Amino acid sequence: DTGVSQDPRHKITKRGQNVTFRCDPISEHNRLYWYRQTLGQGPEFLTYFQNEAQLEKSRLLSDRFSAERPKGSFSTLEIQRTEQGDSAMYLCASSLAGGGNYGYTFGSGTRLTVV
Amino acid sequence: GESVGLHLPTLSVQEGDNSIINCAYSNSASDYFIWYKQESGKGPQFIIDIRSNMDKRQGQRVTVLLNKTVKHLSLQIAATQPGDSAVYFCAEIRGAQKLVFGQGTRLTINP
Repeated sequence: DTGVSQDPRHKITKRGQNVTFRCDPISEHNRLYWYRQTLGQGPEFLTYFQNEAQLEKSRLLSDRFSAERPKGSFSTLEIQRTEQGDSAMYLCASSLAGGGNYGYTFGSGTRLTVV
Repeated sequence: GESVGLHLPTLSVQEGDNSIINCAYSNSASDYFIWYKQESGKGPQFIIDIRSNMDKRQGQRVTVLLNKTVKHLSLQIAATQPGDSAVYFCAEIRGAQKLVFGQGTRLTINP
């Protein structure tokens, strides 16, 4: 296991289309997070899962966004009816609850461009 | 609202010099801070962390200082190298490991 994997790395989509991103966390990590990062800004928290349960959602996560982690392993983030304002880097991270420095590890992100 | 922020958006240093990146926070109840390095096209990478019961913590070429009185922390990088060029973020852990990031400082190394 080499870390947190995200797919795709880049996605260009037309406004109004739906997109789905995938995150594969470090295998022994039971917490998985999604963040959004716009140009020149720090990442902003969107949501997190402990195992398969989605325990917190940010107000940034509008009704057009949905995240799942069906088996407590990989997660998907879907954006419906994309808007230009959705253009950003979507970062996934995973950690082990209660472990050391939390072992928080980020993936390289999926860069979404809505045209 | 409460936030974690940075004093400067950019910092240029000569190769070999020491770099100091600053960060201010507003939540006096904050008890755990992390510094991240983010290179272009990559996710944030953990550098060093510090808890509120500490004033200083050292790693390899990096030191983090925490001043709880003025709610300020800094990242010091010794003998800056070209590979240190990146954007540096301070972040605070809130709640169940939710990270709140500052805006970031872009560190540029001059040869």
